[in-house]
Amino acid sequence: DGGITQSPKYLFRKEGQNVTLSCEQNLNHDAMYWYRQDPGQGLRLIYYSQIVNDFQKGDIAEGYSVSREKKESFPLTVTSAQKNPTAFYLCASRSEGTGELFFGEGSRLTVL
Amino acid sequence: AQSVSQHNHHVILSEAASLELGCNYSYGGTVNLFWYVQYPGQHLQLLLKYFSGDPLVKGIKGFEAEFIKSKFSFNLRKPSVQWSDTAEYFCAVTPSGSARQLTFGSGTQLTVLP
Repeated sequence: DGGITQSPKYLFRKEGQNVTLSCEQNLNHDAMYWYRQDPGQGLRLIYYSQIVNDFQKGDIAEGYSVSREKKESFPLTVTSAQKNPTAFYLCASRSEGTGELFFGEGSRLTVL
Repeated sequence: AQSVSQHNHHVILSEAASLELGCNYSYGGTVNLFWYVQYPGQHLQLLLKYFSGDPLVKGIKGFEAEFIKSKFSFNLRKPSVQWSDTAEYFCAVTPSGSARQLTFGSGTQLTVLP
């Protein structure tokens, strides 16, 4: 089935450690996105990529980094510089034809 | 930059009640509008979208939304809710023709009591 696969689903890390969240899509979409979801704040854009080897900062990029070496993959690294990393992270890709975003099931990161 | 407001943070209804969730956006140009739903334990999925044409759009599961340009609104409605509609609902907007991003509202948690 076509879709977005995020892993891991749950992740725990100690303060000061970097962690990388995986996002893979087989929908052949050019554009991919990372959002952070916090209770009562909706979804906030971290980074997005419109094409391979190119990405742009979103509204809350500080403390995060991404890469886009392949069309199918858009991993997100949460660095130790991110002051409040405990959150639910959502990856999405966008259909050029309809503009619809397709979301993965999310990764819940907890910093201990 | 565009922004989206969802004024109802938590709505509680009994089954068969009618639903209307408010969504207002701010942006001076032409926009595309979306409603997404997140059922408990599931990923976000599209309920309906508006790009152009008839301002009354119908989505899945009996939901509909009306785009009122003069009010910058895109309210979601359903005549009779079911317990299975319990979920979080997000309104989103993007400038027409933009691939940059959707801007999401803060979400409305709907709880339907059996």
